[in-house]
Amino acid sequence: GAVVSQHPSRVICKSGTSVKIECRSLDFQATTMFWYRQFPKKSLMLMATSNEGSKATYEQGVEKDKFLINHASLTLSTLTVTSAHPEDSSFYICSARDSRAGMHQPQHFGDGTRLSIL
Amino acid sequence: AQSVTQPDIHITVSEGASLELRCNYSYGATPYLFWYVQSPGQGLQLLLKYFSGDTLVQGIKGFEAEFKRSQSSFNLRKPSVHWSDAAEYFCAVGPNNNDMRFGAGTRLTVKP
Repeated sequence: GAVVSQHPSRVICKSGTSVKIECRSLDFQATTMFWYRQFPKKSLMLMATSNEGSKATYEQGVEKDKFLINHASLTLSTLTVTSAHPEDSSFYICSARDSRAGMHQPQHFGDGTRLSIL
Repeated sequence: AQSVTQPDIHITVSEGASLELRCNYSYGATPYLFWYVQSPGQGLQLLLKYFSGDTLVQGIKGFEAEFKRSQSSFNLRKPSVHWSDAAEYFCAVGPNNNDMRFGAGTRLTVKP
């Protein structure tokens, strides 16, 4: 089945540093990937839609300069949290859809990244 | 704009008992509807989805859901719950597979 790999699974870093999270589709191509943020005991909030070879589409209220998204290939999207602060601590999850699959094929999710900013 | 409501934040059932998790949505047309399950510290696994056709949808792990247009609902059911079903369950709705909105989630606890 379709597998999405997310790395790292957990990261702890100091305030002010930048953190990069990778999302890879392992056995399919994905022209579109999605980045979600999940607060403790809360639902997933769509942050942005990542489009291969073009700029990401950000949801209202999400700072694009804070959360940099790059989708340089059909199998990799990265989310960089720039100058991270404690309020950026969260669980970040990516998902992807198989570009060659029919329109009814769902998103496949990675296992998430737990980001903790000290 | 679409929205989805999961009225129950937390449900506890005994192992072997039946389960129903509620999901109500607001959307102008027939949406794409999904149920996902999330174990602690993990990503989401798709249980089942509906976009057209038979309103009773069978999913993995013995789950099913029924789309009721008149009630704007897509409730998830399982006839006999197993201890391994304890997790967080999310209902999601969208106009397609891309633009999904998630409900707040229902945490399921299974008593021995």
